[in-house]
Amino acid sequence: KQEVTQIPAALSVPEGENLVLNCSFTDSAIYNLQWFRQDPGKGLTSLLLIQSSQREQTSGRLNASLDKSSGRSTLYIAASQPGDSATYLCAVETSGSRLTFGEGTQLTVNP
Amino acid sequence: GAGVSQSPSNKVTEKGKDVELRCDPISGHTALYWYRQSLGQGLEFLIYFQGNSAPDKSGLPSDRFSAERTGGSVSTLTIQRTQQEDSAVYLCASSLDYVKQFFGPGTRLTVL
Repeated sequence: KQEVTQIPAALSVPEGENLVLNCSFTDSAIYNLQWFRQDPGKGLTSLLLIQSSQREQTSGRLNASLDKSSGRSTLYIAASQPGDSATYLCAVETSGSRLTFGEGTQLTVNP
Repeated sequence: GAGVSQSPSNKVTEKGKDVELRCDPISGHTALYWYRQSLGQGLEFLIYFQGNSAPDKSGLPSDRFSAERTGGSVSTLTIQRTQQEDSAVYLCASSLDYVKQFFGPGTRLTVL
């Protein structure tokens, strides 16, 4: 059974810092890995999707890497801003289009 | 050009009652997914639809849970004889390519 773990569970940083969120998964037979953002009381917003054949994806200040063989992914956020405060979720797709999610990292960026 | 919508946004019910949660996917999206997010737990997959059929119902936690989709569009998740452990946020997502999923805002269900 696929299990996804995210570390740390919570992170508080001052504005402007670069930071790294970690995700690990137990079964390397994945189709893709996605990073989502969830704001309180709202649904999920997809940030980056990395196909299993890819190593990384970038969007603006976000960069996500994937090491499928070791079952790890990182989300790098450069020059963090208070608006980046949210819960960040990592999810892997294994079969049948279903996603398995980690429990998330709650990020607070302090002005 | 609306995204995925869900109704109601909040539902409070008494233990033992039945509830229906509705999801309106993005127009033209063939795939539709239901997930549950419980306090202290991650998001868990419940069921997904390919058109009107559900190839994978393995995530439904018990036979009190059922879902249907009609016309390849709207989907309803029904929970019969609700229990307190059913309290959670129920999220719906739709997809055009079965890869990128677009999520709705969720329905927060509270069972008293």
